Amino acid sequence: QVQLQESGPGLVRSSETLSLTCTVSGGSIGGFYWNWVRQPPGRPLEWLGFIYKTGSTNYNPSLKGRVTMSLDMSKNQFSLTMRSVTGVDTALYYCTREVGDDGFDIWGRGTMVTVSS
Amino acid sequence: DVQMTQSPSFLSASVGDRVSITCRASQTVETYLNWYQLKPGKAPRLLIYAASSLQSGVPSRFSGSGSGTYFTLTINSLQPEDFATYYCQQGFASPRTFGQGTKVDI
Repeated sequence: QVQLQESGPGLVRSSETLSLTCTVSGGSIGGFYWNWVRQPPGRPLEWLGFIYKTGSTNYNPSLKGRVTMSLDMSKNQFSLTMRSVTGVDTALYYCTREVGDDGFDIWGRGTMVTVSS
Repeated sequence: DVQMTQSPSFLSASVGDRVSITCRASQTVETYLNWYQLKPGKAPRLLIYAASSLQSGVPSRFSGSGSGTYFTLTINSLQPEDFATYYCQQGFASPRTFGQGTKVDI
């Protein structure tokens, strides 16, 4: 079955750039919306945005243009880049698949990212 | 943004109990409402989509209802593995938004 695995550095310095990759195994990356969701410690889930197989994207406006998502279909991977991070970006970051309007049906286990000052 | 408000935030229950969690939206989301189960160290799990449709592989003791702005997740006969945190999420509008979560504990 389809599985997702997040990867990337666990520690990022304040004001620098966070980069995470999600590898999709057991299925094709085409035909779905690929999303990033995060959960700061003690806080609820926050949707960051998605990228579709065509490369079209939709980002949460709360991120104020700091986020870019990309897709590498040859590697079955999609990525998140977040610029100018601060302590509020410390969170458990999940990648997840959205099937049309029917929710996020497959998730990775998440990767913890800490922003250090 | 559509604000999602869950209640209660914390729920103490026992094995075998029937529990219900409610989720209110600040505006209509029709039936574009999904429920998830989160456990530490595990991938989140989609339980219910489109307000009342049971995701494949999810036990039938989980059920969802509602439309518009008011939704309910019910767990019949709570099992030990059901002690977790539950979130609602609307898929009607962008940005997608989640409730603040309900922790179900012993």
